[in-house]
Amino acid sequence: NAGVTQTPKFQVLKTGQSMTLQCAQDMNHEYMSWYRQDPGMGLRLIHYSVGAGITDQGEVPNGYNVSRSTTEDFPLRLLSAAPSQTSVYFCASSYSLAPRTDTQYFGPGTRLTVL
Amino acid sequence: AQKITQTQPGMFVQEKEAVTLDCTYDTSDPSYGLFWYKQPSSGEMIFLIYQGSYDQQNATEGRYSLNFQKARKSANLVISASQLGDSAMYFCAMRERGSTLGRLYFGRGTQLTVWP
Repeated sequence: NAGVTQTPKFQVLKTGQSMTLQCAQDMNHEYMSWYRQDPGMGLRLIHYSVGAGITDQGEVPNGYNVSRSTTEDFPLRLLSAAPSQTSVYFCASSYSLAPRTDTQYFGPGTRLTVL
Repeated sequence: AQKITQTQPGMFVQEKEAVTLDCTYDTSDPSYGLFWYKQPSSGEMIFLIYQGSYDQQNATEGRYSLNFQKARKSANLVISASQLGDSAMYFCAMRERGSTLGRLYFGRGTQLTVWP
C-alpha cells in the first residue's frame, strides 16, 4: 500500500490564483480530512469527509473547497489564493470514526507559498 | 482552555537512554482517543501510538509506550533506548468521540534531540 499520497510537494502561487491540492489513499478509508500547519498555531482542520459524496467544514474552511467523488480521492481547492494561505497542508485518513479504527494517517504534506 | 498541553518545548537525551515526553489533555467527553505523532525535519507526520480512554492497559509499540493516567488526564510518551533517528518534533493529539468532525486536537509539540 502507498498509504496517503499528496501532490504536489511544493507549490508557489501568486495572489488570486487558484489551484488544487491532490490527496489519495489506497487503504479503503472512509474518513478523510485536510489540515493546515502554521507556526505557533499547530494543526487546524479545514474540511473533512466521512465517505464518498459527504463533506463538511472544519475549523478554518474559508477560502477552500473540497469534494469526495470516490472513496480514494479528496482534493482541496484554493479558490483565490491569499498570502494568509501560505502554510503546510496535510491530508489524513482513517478507516472510520469508530474507536480503535479512528487512527488518522497523514500524507507527506504540501508546502504552499502564496506571494 | 487548551485541549492538549505539552509543556516541554525541547528535550535532550543521550543515545540509548529513555526519555519521557509530557502531555496533558482536557475533555469532558468520556470516550476519546489519544495519539502521538512524530514529525522529523523532513516534515511528514508519522503515527506512533494510540490509547483509548477505556483501555485498561497502557499502550506499547516497540520502543514506544504510553503512560496513561486517566485521573490526572495525562498521556506521556516514553521512548526507551533512544536512537539518533528519534530526533524530531513529537505531537500529542486527542479525538473526542462525541464529535462527528473527527477532528484531532494537537499540542504545540516537543522538539526532541538525541545526542551521541
